[in-house]
Amino acid sequence: ETGVTQTPRHLVMGMTNKKSLKCEQHLGHNAMYWYKQSAKKPLELMFVYNFKEQTENNSVPSRFSPECPNSSHLFLHLHTLQPEDSALYLCASSPSGRGNTGELFFGEGSRLTVL
Amino acid sequence: GDSVTQMEGPVTLSEEAFLTINCTYTATGYPSLFWYVQYPGEGLQLLLKATKADDKGSNKGFEATYRKETTSFHLEKGSVQVSDSAVYFCALSDQGTNAGKSTFGDGTTLTVKP
Repeated sequence: ETGVTQTPRHLVMGMTNKKSLKCEQHLGHNAMYWYKQSAKKPLELMFVYNFKEQTENNSVPSRFSPECPNSSHLFLHLHTLQPEDSALYLCASSPSGRGNTGELFFGEGSRLTVL
Repeated sequence: GDSVTQMEGPVTLSEEAFLTINCTYTATGYPSLFWYVQYPGEGLQLLLKATKADDKGSNKGFEATYRKETTSFHLEKGSVQVSDSAVYFCALSDQGTNAGKSTFGDGTTLTVKP
């Protein structure tokens, strides 16, 4: 496999459920990101990881819990979500360090619906 | 902070029409500029990029020139096709060791009719 792969592609959950989104990249990148894309809203950066360390938390509610066990994998653990959390969650990766132009490589997203 | 402002949509064109989607930015330093495209049901993918002033990015017939004097990066295509229907995002990012989080515009939805 190549590129950035996200699973599941679609998820429906109740407000009391606990679920996780998974992202895997096969590009040798050292930075990974979670973005939230809601209807009629700009793309929102949620979390940034560089070399497995979290370097950005954009005031995300604690019901979203990221995990980055290594540079190739990123998870977003979800619990007690609200209906307004329904959105497309996009994972992205990029190289780190000198020579990095800032280009992001996105997965196809996980469409989350909270009932 | 950095910001990106792009033309509001939706934009509807007939096949073979000329396309322009305006994008202006504010940023400190010398950012990289990007256009990403999102087809229905998919994630974003890079369409083109430019990393310094006067650079022209091009791909699939689309072009955009990094204009530092006007802080703009307008997207153009001479003859659009139905398959170009998508949402287009203008974005900027720092470069090098400070590269990381990007700033995106709100997106412009393009519909091309046969």
